[in-house]
Amino acid sequence: AQTVTQSQPEMSVQEAETVTLSCTYDTSESNYYLFWYKQPPSRQMILVIRQEAYKQQNATENRFSVNFQKAAKSFSLKISDSQLGDTAMYFCAFMKQVPSIGGSNYKLTFGKGTLLTVNP
Amino acid sequence: GAGVSQSPSNKVTEKGKDVELRCDPISGHTALYWYRQSLGQGLEFLIYFQGNSAPDKSGLPSDRFSAERTGGSVSTLTIQRTQQEDSAVYLCASSLVPSGIKNIQYFGAGTRLSVL
Repeated sequence: AQTVTQSQPEMSVQEAETVTLSCTYDTSESNYYLFWYKQPPSRQMILVIRQEAYKQQNATENRFSVNFQKAAKSFSLKISDSQLGDTAMYFCAFMKQVPSIGGSNYKLTFGKGTLLTVNP
Repeated sequence: GAGVSQSPSNKVTEKGKDVELRCDPISGHTALYWYRQSLGQGLEFLIYFQGNSAPDKSGLPSDRFSAERTGGSVSTLTIQRTQQEDSAVYLCASSLVPSGIKNIQYFGAGTRLSVL
């Protein structure tokens, strides 16, 4: 079974600064996908960024980027120029292809999350 | 619809009662997932529906939990004889037919269940 570990339960950063959230995972799979989701107080999970394991290039989405280290099984999220609206729980998630009758089950395995607070 | 819709947004019930949670996925999405988010925990997979295939129920914690998906669209998660440990936020997600990295799961805002 896959496990995802987020070692930082809480973090805080000043507005406009940069912060990095850590995520490590354990798997024997060679092909898989990694995601960062954001959950604001509204509870709705929002996809922030995603990475394919076979791609060496780190994914980037505007102010969000990842540092994907496949050998180390590490997938950290860097938020640049932090904004007040970035305050939320951030979840790291792993997905592999699980064979099941009638198709593939792309279920997500989540870490326990990091609560990020951006201070003015 | 514009997004995944879940109802009710909050539900308070007494121990031993049955509850039904509803999920209306994004139109055209054939895959539907239920997850549970307990206080201080990440999200725990419960059940998965894909088209007309048999659902993957491997994440259901006990036989008190069941789910249906009628007509390949709306899904109902039922918890019978609720216990206090069932208190959690129940999140539903939907996605297009799974296709690797393009399989993005879109989540609803969840139902917060409180069992007294």
